[in-house]
Amino acid sequence: AQRVTQPEKLLSVFKGAPVELKCNYSYSGSPELFWYVQYSRQRLQLLLRHISRESIKGFTADLNKGETSFHLKKPFAQEEDSAMYYCALSGLRGGGATNKLIFGTGTLLAVQP
Amino acid sequence: NAGVMQNPRHLVRRRGQEARLRCSPMKGHSHVYWYRQLPEEGLKFMVYLQKENIIDESGMPKERFSAEFPKEGPSILRIQQVVRGDSAAYFCASSPPQGGGSVWQYFGPGTRLTVT
Repeated sequence: AQRVTQPEKLLSVFKGAPVELKCNYSYSGSPELFWYVQYSRQRLQLLLRHISRESIKGFTADLNKGETSFHLKKPFAQEEDSAMYYCALSGLRGGGATNKLIFGTGTLLAVQP
Repeated sequence: NAGVMQNPRHLVRRRGQEARLRCSPMKGHSHVYWYRQLPEEGLKFMVYLQKENIIDESGMPKERFSAEFPKEGPSILRIQQVVRGDSAAYFCASSPPQGGGSVWQYFGPGTRLTVT
């Protein structure tokens, strides 16, 4: 079954502390993994995708196929990072590809001053 | 580019009424996705459409729900005879034509449906 698991509903850290938002997935094939972020009163927006191997706003995420994980990390949290973070996967299937996204339930990151 | 537009932002319906949710994709995007977010849950895929075609409706409830993306105009998600359990946030996303590679989806602000 295709599934994305984000075990933490809420992660509270102090400004300047490291952050790791956990994401594990289940998928039979080669998925593409994403992190989406939703700031207060804003729409959901893409933060990063694993195939880009880029760092956005100081965040990075490495796909670990052995552990089926795609954890989001930032070495020093900022107050403006406070938001809802969703991990998602997309699986391309042969013969009728569809890029539907499968989302985790989200983790609310609260960065305290 | 105004981004993905959804209207209305808030919709209140009584049980048994019909709800129509509209989504205008970003300029140049020909693919539309609908997702539903129930309270305390993540977004769940409902349907994927291209102009005049339903590509994947594996997430759509079998009854009362339908979606279309006509040649002209916005995509419409229609819920007939709404029930309290339909109360949720409905998000639309769009993406450009896919040329074999992966593309990501741009999301609208959502429509919050409340059934009383």
